[in-house]
Amino acid sequence: NAGVMQNPRHLVRRRGQEARLRCSPMKGHSHVYWYRQLPEEGLKFMVYLQKENIIDESGMPKERFSAEFPKEGPSILRIQQVVRGDSAAYFCASSPYVERSTEAFFGQGTRLTVV
Amino acid sequence: SQQGEEDPQALSIQEGENATMNCSYKTSINNLQWYRQNSGRGLVHLILIRSNEREKHSGRLRVTLDTSKKSSSLLITASRAADTASYFCATVDDYKLSFGAGTTVTVRA
Repeated sequence: NAGVMQNPRHLVRRRGQEARLRCSPMKGHSHVYWYRQLPEEGLKFMVYLQKENIIDESGMPKERFSAEFPKEGPSILRIQQVVRGDSAAYFCASSPYVERSTEAFFGQGTRLTVV
Repeated sequence: SQQGEEDPQALSIQEGENATMNCSYKTSINNLQWYRQNSGRGLVHLILIRSNEREKHSGRLRVTLDTSKKSSSLLITASRAADTASYFCATVDDYKLSFGAGTTVTVRA
């Protein structure tokens, strides 16, 4: 059973371009979380999705950021018109959410650099 | 907003010594989890303690939870160089994991 797969591992974008980050959850997991981590800081919650539904996007900036988790395929975090401040590591986690008390499994992250 | 806050921010110890770090949080929780992050990598789950538990062990790890003080501690016994990493506590209120800024532990050989 492969773990949570994120790609690409590293992504360089020029200011104004779009960044697409992909996350394939563990097999059997239907719940996906996205977190952002700035250097020397903890992880900041961005969005929580189930298949085809956004459950909680309270941590997502209102503009330029969007996320989806379609019925088929990976979850996508999309950042439009990137700015230097978007440079960070973006982590995806999945859980089976069998019950509330469950651990989350993290991917290795995508390191976005905006130049 | 972040829930857990770890203390200290950084810790340097000799191999074989114990490492203790603390986590304080603000609101009621369903459970509290500890994760480890090696430099440049993703987070690895270490241990989960439920709100009705007071102490839990896993190998060289010991976690305590005091819900009256809204605090938890992680003890790593007989540390090894491979324990060098950042350690994060995460509180779970319903479905959301909320992380603190972490404690960076350096184990010197």
